[in-house]
Amino acid sequence: GENVEQHPSTLSVQEGDSAVIKCTYSDSASNYFPWYKQELGKRPQLIIDIRSNVGEKKDQRIAVTLNKTAKHFSLHITETQPEDSAVYFCAATFNTDKLIFGTGTRLQVFP
Amino acid sequence: GAVVSQHPSWVICKSGTSVKIECRSLDFQATTMFWYRQFPKQSLMLMATSNEGSKATYEQGVEKDKFLINHASLTLSTLTVTSAHPEDSSFYICSARRTGDFYNEQFFGPGTRLTVL
Repeated sequence: GENVEQHPSTLSVQEGDSAVIKCTYSDSASNYFPWYKQELGKRPQLIIDIRSNVGEKKDQRIAVTLNKTAKHFSLHITETQPEDSAVYFCAATFNTDKLIFGTGTRLQVFP
Repeated sequence: GAVVSQHPSWVICKSGTSVKIECRSLDFQATTMFWYRQFPKQSLMLMATSNEGSKATYEQGVEKDKFLINHASLTLSTLTVTSAHPEDSSFYICSARRTGDFYNEQFFGPGTRLTVL
């Protein structure tokens, strides 16, 4: 079925440490994997995405890796800052026309 | 570029009334738009896919007669919650996919918070 699993559900780190969030998906035809940051009451904000033709993408402190064989993809945030605290969602395409979201990870970065 | 607006940003209504939410792509054409619902501390759940000029495709468990979707132009989709009840209270978010994009990058509206009394 259409499923995206996301772990962990909560993550607490000290400022400056790294944070890793992992997702798995079920549709081997999925070709687009975005990550969103959502603050309370706001829209999801795209922070990075990766397409199925690459294995890794980096943008400053944020990186995403994709393992198509295992149907896993991960978000890596380095040198975390308090303003990184938010809920993060992964998503994957299904039937090439819709996004299914993971269950979310609440990240808390303590100063 | 790629701005999506939603109106209203919040609405309070009485049980049994209908509420219409508008989703507009301001600077691009969107053949396909999506409607999501998000309950507190939960993820975004896709309700339906809206295609310009044709009927919407609803996800399993979403009542099409209760959540009416109209996508009459390449920049506007509307969601009408008919006979709203307190359990319909939620955060409704739309997104739009730019016409011609191969990958399913979606641009999200700011959301509409619906409270049904």
